[in-house]
Amino acid sequence: GENVEQHPSTLSVQEGDSAVIKCTYSDSASNYFPWYKQELGKGPQLIIDIRSNVGEKKDQRIAVTLNKTAKHFSLHITETQPEDSAVYFCAARKAAGNKLTFGGGTRVLVKP
Amino acid sequence: GAVVSQHPSRVICKSGTSVKIECRSLDFQATTMFWYRQFPKQSLMLMATSNEGSKATYEQGVEKDKFLINHASLTLSTLTVTSAHPEDSSFYICSARVPTGVGDTQYFGPGTRLTVL
Repeated sequence: GENVEQHPSTLSVQEGDSAVIKCTYSDSASNYFPWYKQELGKGPQLIIDIRSNVGEKKDQRIAVTLNKTAKHFSLHITETQPEDSAVYFCAARKAAGNKLTFGGGTRVLVKP
Repeated sequence: GAVVSQHPSRVICKSGTSVKIECRSLDFQATTMFWYRQFPKQSLMLMATSNEGSKATYEQGVEKDKFLINHASLTLSTLTVTSAHPEDSSFYICSARVPTGVGDTQYFGPGTRLTVL
């Protein structure tokens, strides 16, 4: 089955700096890659997703890149703010209807 | 994005009792919902996939007789933890699939913290 690895497990950045989280997946048939942000005691919130027909997607300070050949995708957060502190999960999925496979999560701390 | 609610947000129960958790899609119809379990500082573990009007599909190692799932309508799925024990204490999160133009997107509820004494 699909296996998703996520790095780093923890990331500490200074406010205003950029944060980058990387994920690799094993199943070349995967074609959908969402990113979720989870704050303490809450459910995961979808922040951005990308499908395999594009290589990059951006939404304000957040961007995701996808390299299908290398089977990895990354989340980029620019101009980080303290409210960006949370745990971020990447995931991968094959055709619509299949289940998501999650990475292990990255705990991001933005220091003011 | 789509809104998924869960109730209750927190529950404390005695060992041996059963607890029911409700998951609702508020502004859309969800033919498929998922139930996850999350231990502290760990990733989400899929327990089962719930399809409206049919039996749930459980992941390997998840006891179907212990974690009863019912998806009786397009907006409601319930998870009942039967004869709960302290080791069942965890954060339970439901998720609903929303069909989109080119596939589907999955949204999560706020989670339910279960503590079994």
